[in-house]
Amino acid sequence: EAGVAQSPRYKIIEKRQSVAFWCNPISGHATLYWYQQILGQGPKLLIQFQNNGVVDDSQLPKDRFSAERLKGVDSTLKIQPAKLEDSAVYLCASSTHRGRHNEQFFGPGTRLTVL
Amino acid sequence: AQSVTQLDSQVPVFEEAPVELRCNYSSSVSVYLFWYVQYPNQGLQLLLKYLSGSTLVKGINGFEAEFNKSQTSFHLRKPSVHISDTAEYFCAVSDINDYKLSFGAGTTVTVRA
Repeated sequence: EAGVAQSPRYKIIEKRQSVAFWCNPISGHATLYWYQQILGQGPKLLIQFQNNGVVDDSQLPKDRFSAERLKGVDSTLKIQPAKLEDSAVYLCASSTHRGRHNEQFFGPGTRLTVL
Repeated sequence: AQSVTQLDSQVPVFEEAPVELRCNYSSSVSVYLFWYVQYPNQGLQLLLKYLSGSTLVKGINGFEAEFNKSQTSFHLRKPSVHISDTAEYFCAVSDINDYKLSFGAGTTVTVRA
């Protein structure tokens, strides 16, 4: 089966600019996650969707970050405006609907550099 | 809430030598435990997971891990490493009623010939 797809793979922007990342989960996976991985740290969950509804966005900086999952398939994560500290790899993951004991499948990530 | 501590940030090891990566967790409830590997410029890949049952879990690529409830540990081992095992390894935990993973900071394994 095809894995989780993400684009772009790399993005360089200046602070205060906007940026958007796209994720296409594995077909049939109802749960989708966005993680932020800062250099030298483990991934940190930003937001979790179940189909097209938000399950958990407690760690999402809502003043600048937004995410949506229209039609319960693809998802986009947006940052507006970006800050220097947003430089990180943004990982998308998906899992089946409350199945397989939370085995999450990860995409390759988008590496964001904010100058 | 759960937390994970990976006790070694970097582990250099020679090819064909054994390696152990240490992971301790804290949680007030029962947990599931995972080890993920991240090769350079790639996403995370599941190595193995402990859900219940036997405390010795075998995963892909010859890795295994042992769950020790009394010591709240889940150490990862491989008896003989290859150059291709050079990667970053993450230990993660989730409580059995939640689907959120909490990750450790990672251990970078560098295998030298």
